[in-house]
Amino acid sequence: SQTIHQWPATLVQPVGSPLSLECTVEGTSNPNLYWYRQAAGRGLQLLFYSVGIGQISSEVPQNLSASRPQDRQFILSSKKLLLSDSGFYLCAWGWDEQFFGPGTRLTVL
Amino acid sequence: QKEVEQNSGPLSVPEGAIASLNCTYSDRGSQSFFWYRQYSGKSPELIMFIYSNGDKEDGRFTAQLNKASQYVSLLIRDSQPSDSATYLCAVCPSGTYKYIFGTGTRLKVLA
Repeated sequence: SQTIHQWPATLVQPVGSPLSLECTVEGTSNPNLYWYRQAAGRGLQLLFYSVGIGQISSEVPQNLSASRPQDRQFILSSKKLLLSDSGFYLCAWGWDEQFFGPGTRLTVL
Repeated sequence: QKEVEQNSGPLSVPEGAIASLNCTYSDRGSQSFFWYRQYSGKSPELIMFIYSNGDKEDGRFTAQLNKASQYVSLLIRDSQPSDSATYLCAVCPSGTYKYIFGTGTRLKVLA
């Protein structure tokens, strides 16, 4: 069966610090991968998605970036965090149906 | 802009009743429709998907799709307090891998 991992589970970072969130999927090959952000009490905002190694489509250009260095690894990064980057970051995998990881709760102070 | 609309709720139903959750979408070309359940502080969990007009049943859950009217609904029969959560509707327009999510309906099942 397939499993999706995200880490860390929670993160508190100062404004202006860098960010790296990692997501890995087990038990499948060449999945579509997605990064979402959910602000408190809000819906899911698609940030990036990837249909293959090295291929990234950006929905929210701002100060975030994503990379897919391996087939089942998806990384979300920022060079300098903003207060508005606080939220619940979710990685998902799938083709027709999407399945979410446990999420990373990021607080930027 | 392609949109998915849901009533934010909360929708309160007594235990054992049928909860009816509704979702409308703007992109007439959408082909795939999904319902997720999200407990507070947790990630969304896929509970139903439907691709064709009509009803699809899975246990206590029934998804209903009407493409002509551009709405999709989720019925939860014999609602339990453990069903209390936010239910997210997601739509995948044709020719894309991207989902468009609604903001969710909060359901409260009262014991």
